[in-house]
Amino acid sequence: NAGVTQTPKFQVLKTGQSMTLQCAQDMNHNSMYWYRQDPGMGLRLIYYSASEGTTDKGEVPNGYNVSRLNKREFSLRLESAAPSQTSVYFCASSELGREPWETQYFGPGTRLLVL
Amino acid sequence: AQSVTQLDSQVPVFEEAPVELRCNYSSSVSVYLFWYVQYPNQGLQLLLKYLSGSTLVKGINGFEAEFNKSQTSFHLRKPSVHISDTAEYFCAVTHNSGNTPLVFGKGTRLSVIA
Repeated sequence: NAGVTQTPKFQVLKTGQSMTLQCAQDMNHNSMYWYRQDPGMGLRLIYYSASEGTTDKGEVPNGYNVSRLNKREFSLRLESAAPSQTSVYFCASSELGREPWETQYFGPGTRLLVL
Repeated sequence: AQSVTQLDSQVPVFEEAPVELRCNYSSSVSVYLFWYVQYPNQGLQLLLKYLSGSTLVKGINGFEAEFNKSQTSFHLRKPSVHISDTAEYFCAVTHNSGNTPLVFGKGTRLSVIA
């Protein structure tokens, strides 16, 4: 039981390049989330998927797109990377996706540097 | 909308000393409150959460937190810290109705000094 896995662990991009961050969970959870973590800013929600087939914007969605490929996988795409998107990206999941008290389980993160 | 303020960005403390990490929240409705911990180079994991009932909540690794509705606070405490408690700690809040995403504070970096 690997929990939440993310690939890649590290990535360096040039401004304007695109890339997709992958996330998968093996806990049969309904909800999945993408956050970014910046120094002094805490975690900010980019997008979330309450259940398979649905996605919603979070606090900072601009410059990103997401795909809930199936129940296990939730990917985050940067179509044209900008230096402001340099950050650590975390994927998380929760079991039911409809109760605000649910625990979220986090992956180890992807460290992205945009030059 | 709800928000969370963690009053200290960094807290250094000697090993075996007590520690309190402060968290205040703002919300016009009833809330659920959480503390998550992030060890170096890892993702976040849940320490404890307050949903209802007793205002003193006990979590993993000897941590506890007290919900104070009148002061809109949810401070995290541990009576005696260890080197292994060195980490970043995040307070988070959400409404207790509907599927409202978590709102995280900016984090408090706890450094335990030998």
